[in-house]
Amino acid sequence: DAGVIQSPRHEVTEMGQEVTLRCKPISGHDYLFWYRQTMMRGLELLIYFNNNVPIDDSGMPEDRFSAKMPNASFSTLKIQPSEPRDSAVYFCASSPGLAGGFGPNEQFFGPGTRLTVL
Amino acid sequence: GDSVTQMEGPVTLSEEAFLTINCTYTATGYPSLFWYVQYPGEGLQLLLKATKADDKGSNKGFEATYRKETTSFHLEKGSVQVSDSAVYFCALSDRTSYGKLTFGQGTILTVHP
Repeated sequence: DAGVIQSPRHEVTEMGQEVTLRCKPISGHDYLFWYRQTMMRGLELLIYFNNNVPIDDSGMPEDRFSAKMPNASFSTLKIQPSEPRDSAVYFCASSPGLAGGFGPNEQFFGPGTRLTVL
Repeated sequence: GDSVTQMEGPVTLSEEAFLTINCTYTATGYPSLFWYVQYPGEGLQLLLKATKADDKGSNKGFEATYRKETTSFHLEKGSVQVSDSAVYFCALSDRTSYGKLTFGQGTILTVHP
């Protein structure tokens, strides 16, 4: 398997523009997570899905952010309108979910999308 | 709620030095514990994990033991290499969080030749 795939790898845009980040999870994984990483705030969980259904979106910073998972092999994170403070690296991760009696499974991270909003 | 606290960084060591990165946690249930590593320009990848008390996770010369009595999961390596330079994250997940991970703030490790 190619691992978690994210696109684009780098995005530079101007304030006010719409930004769409894309993620293809590992086939067969039931969970998909979106994270944001900055120097100031570290790694933050934005939202996660189980079987394409959003489970917890409490980390989404505000209404400008939205995420969808229309099928098991694709998810998007959209920012509209974008602001300079949204500049960060955005990671997508997937997981096969709970491993029965062995507890939660590991998450597999994509390479990230580096977003710069000017 | 659940939380993870890591020792403040950055940590700078010479090659072949001994490494310890402290990690303590707070959790309401019986969590699984993880160490993830992030190399420059990459995503996080699992380094090791432990799923119950007294378990020892190990990988690539790194070790960590799940200590329930001290709620700790300290990362150790006997002899670090320049290639170990990275950011290390301690994390936990319990069954009530449906696979969601709670991460520490990360510790930057730099190893000099």
